[in-house]
Amino acid sequence: NAGVTQTPKFRILKIGQSMTLQCTQDMNHNYMYWYRQDPGMGLKLIYYSVGAGITDKGEVPNGYNVSRSTTEDFPLRLELAAPSQTSVYFCASSYSTSGGNAQYFGPGTRLLVL
Amino acid sequence: AQSVAQPEDQVNVAEGNPLTVKCTYSVSGNPYLFWYVQYPNRGLQFLLKYITGDNLVKGSYGFEAEFNKSQTSFHLKKPSALVSDSALYFCAGADSWGKLQFGAGTQVVVTP
Repeated sequence: NAGVTQTPKFRILKIGQSMTLQCTQDMNHNYMYWYRQDPGMGLKLIYYSVGAGITDKGEVPNGYNVSRSTTEDFPLRLELAAPSQTSVYFCASSYSTSGGNAQYFGPGTRLLVL
Repeated sequence: AQSVAQPEDQVNVAEGNPLTVKCTYSVSGNPYLFWYVQYPNRGLQFLLKYITGDNLVKGSYGFEAEFNKSQTSFHLKKPSALVSDSALYFCAGADSWGKLQFGAGTQVVVTP
């Protein structure tokens, strides 16, 4: 049981390039989330999904897109990368969206946009 | 609307001494509160949560948290800190849909 896995671990992008951050979970969780972590700012929710085929915006969705074709995978797409997207990105999953359920996090992807 | 606040950027404590990391919350309705820990270059790890019931919640690695409704606080505590407890700690509140709102984090430094 690997939990939540993310690839790549680190990536450097040039301004205007695009890339997809991969996230996979093997816990059969229906609910998945993408966060970004900036120094001193805590984590901000980018997008979330309550099940295959269903996604919704979080607090900071601009510049990102997601899809959820399977229960296991929840990729995050960056189009036209900008320096403001330099951050550490975390994917998480939970059994349900009930407020009392803990989220389980992947190890993160560190992205640098130059 | 909901929010959590961690008033301390950093907490320094000597090994063996009690450790407290502060968190206050502002939520509508019943609060769902969590503590997570992040070690360098790692993802967040779940420590404990408060949903309802006992005000003292016990979690992983000897940590516990005290929920205080009148003070709207959810402070994380450990009776005897270890050097290995040095990490970044996040308090978070969840709405009824499970979306988490994180505090800015508190860096804990435990010195030998």
